[in-house]
Amino acid sequence: QVQLKESGPGLVKPSETLSLTCDVSGYSIRSGYYWGWIRQPPGEALEWIGSIYHTGSTFYNPSLKSRVTLSVDTSSNQFSLRLTFVTAADTAVYYCARRTHSYYFDFWGQGTLVSVSS
Amino acid sequence: EILMTQSPATLSLSPGDTASLSCRASQSVGSSLAWYQQQPGQAPRLLFYGAFTRATGVPARFSGSGSGTEFTLTISSLQSDDFALYYCQQHDSWPWTFGQGTKVELK
Repeated sequence: QVQLKESGPGLVKPSETLSLTCDVSGYSIRSGYYWGWIRQPPGEALEWIGSIYHTGSTFYNPSLKSRVTLSVDTSSNQFSLRLTFVTAADTAVYYCARRTHSYYFDFWGQGTLVSVSS
Repeated sequence: EILMTQSPATLSLSPGDTASLSCRASQSVGSSLAWYQQQPGQAPRLLFYGAFTRATGVPARFSGSGSGTEFTLTISSLQSDDFALYYCQQHDSWPWTFGQGTKVELK
């Protein structure tokens, strides 16, 4: 069974960089699929952030593209998210997920709450 | 960007009832619509993709229907495990977008 688990700081100061890592087990990232990040601000809809392939090919949501970087570490079977210059609007539960070739998400992590506050 | 609107926000029902959840897209997404279920504190679980194709392990009491801009998730004979949050997602046009969710709660 594919399992994903997010990790990273739960509190980030405004204007700093949010960094999260997703550990994947039960499936080798090298075997295929895109791997993505989705977030949900309190009381708001889920928002797709971006996706990355094991080759490093990326797709980003245009609304966040200027601040987002995804990376992948196939040797550790994990992928990561960096979001720069965060504000309170970036406070959200962040999920990592496996994206199929038909663009829906078939396995998700439990999510991790990241709060942006001084 | 395609806007996804789910209704109602909350559905209050009893075990054994039938739940009907609606998802509307701001423009046609064909049949590229996925549904997810989320229990409190748990990861979202894929229920349907392609509007009506059940994901592995999803019970037959769940059914998905619709095309274009109007979609429905129906849960017949509600069981205790079914009281949860449900989200739709269009997987037709980049960027992929989600609805706000419908909470099915115990009446």
